[in-house]
Formats: sequence, structure tokens, C-alpha cells
Amino acid sequence: QVQLVQSGAEVKQPGASVRVSCKASGYAFTTFGISWVRQAPGQGLEWMGWINVYYGNADYAQKFQGRITMTSNTSTSTAYLEMRSLRFDDTAVYYCARGSMVRGGKVANWGQGTLVTVSS
Amino acid sequence: DIQMTQSPSSLSASVGDRVTITCRASQYISAYLNWYQQKPGKAPELLISAASSFQRGVPSRFTASGSGTEFTLTINDLQPEDFATYYCQQSYVTPRGTFGPGTKVDV
Repeated sequence: QVQLVQSGAEVKQPGASVRVSCKASGYAFTTFGISWVRQAPGQGLEWMGWINVYYGNADYAQKFQGRITMTSNTSTSTAYLEMRSLRFDDTAVYYCARGSMVRGGKVANWGQGTLVTVSS
Repeated sequence: DIQMTQSPSSLSASVGDRVTITCRASQYISAYLNWYQQKPGKAPELLISAASSFQRGVPSRFTASGSGTEFTLTINDLQPEDFATYYCQQSYVTPRGTFGPGTKVDV
């Protein structure tokens, strides 16, 4: 079955960077994109962007452009989200999900989430 | 940018009730609208894609419709496992992926 397993919780200081990993299994990794969504405590879902893991190109929500990088390693079936210049309001659960946000896209399988806490 | 709104933001209901959630887009999105269900402490789950195409295993008490800018999700005969937060998401207008703010269905 399709599984996305994310790396563990992180605590970072403001201004630091964080990298979250997402290891996929149960399907051919390069046939689906990987999307990233975050959810601040008690808040709704926020779309961050997605990566075409076959070509390696990513599409980011404007809010995050310049501050995040999505990458993937096809040999290990793992996707990565790096966020830089962390702020207190970046504290959230970060989810990876299988799916490409092309026209008509959807995300049908989700990782368990990674809590990133930004604290001094 | 496109804005997605949902109404109501929350509602209280009882087992057996019928509830309807509305999602509106600030621009035309054809039928490229997904619905997700999220329970506390869990990742979201895709219920419906393309406005009315149900994922395998979604109970028939869920119905969905709409196109253009207005969409609805209805739960008939509400069951205890349906108490959750529901999000809509558009995948038509760039930037695709925008979620609505969510509708919390609780007792």
C-alpha cells in the first residue's frame, strides 16, 4: 500500500533552516508528484507547493517563494522540503502528500506530518 | 489570487442530521474542486475530487455537487465518525492548491 513516512519533529530557533523528509513506498515514485501542506496549531490547511519528482521541477505558492526549496531523490524515493529564515509563525505541522497540483490535480495519500516548532 | 471561502465556518449537529457545507471560489474553477476530511490529530483524507468523484470507500451518505464558483458537500444521516473538519481545495486557477478555511462539524 502507498505510504509516506516523514521525518521526526524539529525545534528550531528563529532565523534557522529546517529540512523535512518524506520517504515514499508502495508505488512507482516518479509517477506522482509530491505536494507539501502545512497547518499551524488550531488553523486550517495551507498549500505550500509541489514537486514533479520525475523532472525535479517545483512550483511554490507565492507566499513561500524564495524561502523554501523542494527536492527529491529518486534513488531513495524521498522528497524533501527545506525552509529557511524560520519565524515564530512557521510553527506548524508540515505534511507531504502524493499528488501533483496540475489542473485537476488532487492529493490522495498523506504522510503522518512533521511538527516544526520555532522557538527561542 | 483566487480566494476560497466556506460556510458555515462551524456547525453543531446530531447523529442522524443532514448537514450541508458550501464552498465558493472567487473565480471560475470549472469542476476542479476537491473535498478533504480531517479529524483531530490526523492527516487530512481526500473524500471527493473533481467536485463529485468519490474516493473508494466514501460512504454513500456523502453527496457533492457544483461547478463554476459554488460547490456543496452534503452529509445525510450524520454518523459519529463524520464529526470532523472539512476543507475544499481548488485545482484550476494558478496558484493551484488553494484550500478553503475549513468547516468544523461537531456535536
